[in-house]
Amino acid sequence: GDSVTQTEGPVTLSEGTSLTVNCSYETKQYPTLFWYVQYPGEGPQLLFKVPKANEKGSNRGFEATYNKEATSFHLQKASVQESDSAVYYCALRGDSGYNKLTFGKGTVLLVSP
Amino acid sequence: EAAVTQSPRSKVAVTGGKVTLSCHQTNNHDYMYWYRQDTGHGLRLIHYSYVADSTEKGDIPDGYKASRPSQENFSLILELASLSQTAVYFCASSVDRYEQYFGPGTRLTVL
Repeated sequence: GDSVTQTEGPVTLSEGTSLTVNCSYETKQYPTLFWYVQYPGEGPQLLFKVPKANEKGSNRGFEATYNKEATSFHLQKASVQESDSAVYYCALRGDSGYNKLTFGKGTVLLVSP
Repeated sequence: EAAVTQSPRSKVAVTGGKVTLSCHQTNNHDYMYWYRQDTGHGLRLIHYSYVADSTEKGDIPDGYKASRPSQENFSLILELASLSQTAVYFCASSVDRYEQYFGPGTRLTVL
């Protein structure tokens, strides 16, 4: 079956520093890749998605490139803020039906002022 | 704005008891999902549904049943709650292959 592996947290950073959260995946299908973010006390919400290989997705200063050859989708941000503290999930959806997502275990990001 | 609500938001149950978690969406979405969230496991799919009166098993369905009596409502049922089912449960909805919208979650503690 499908699987997603991402950086184990927590990741602790100071404001203004750069972020990379690694994500690698395994699937026999042609996936769409997602990054979701979950703030404390809330449900996950979509950060962005990339349906095609070699394309980049971005939102709120975060970005990730769908690297089909390396089966990776690493999340990056040049300068984090305290408000970015959250749990980040990498996920994939195969090209079979039912819009079924497979999530990674999540990475906790803690940003100190 | 998408709207998925869950009730209750928090619940304490006894081992062996029956628990029903409810989800309601006002998005007019066909697809609905139940996930559980545990530290170290992330989000795992329990059951999902793509039409009223029909449910499908997800990746970890054992010990759970689901019910979709209408397009708007989707329930998760634990007939005999166990300690291992202590977790946070999230409901989500989507339109076909588009973004999934999550509810705020239900924290379930089984004692």
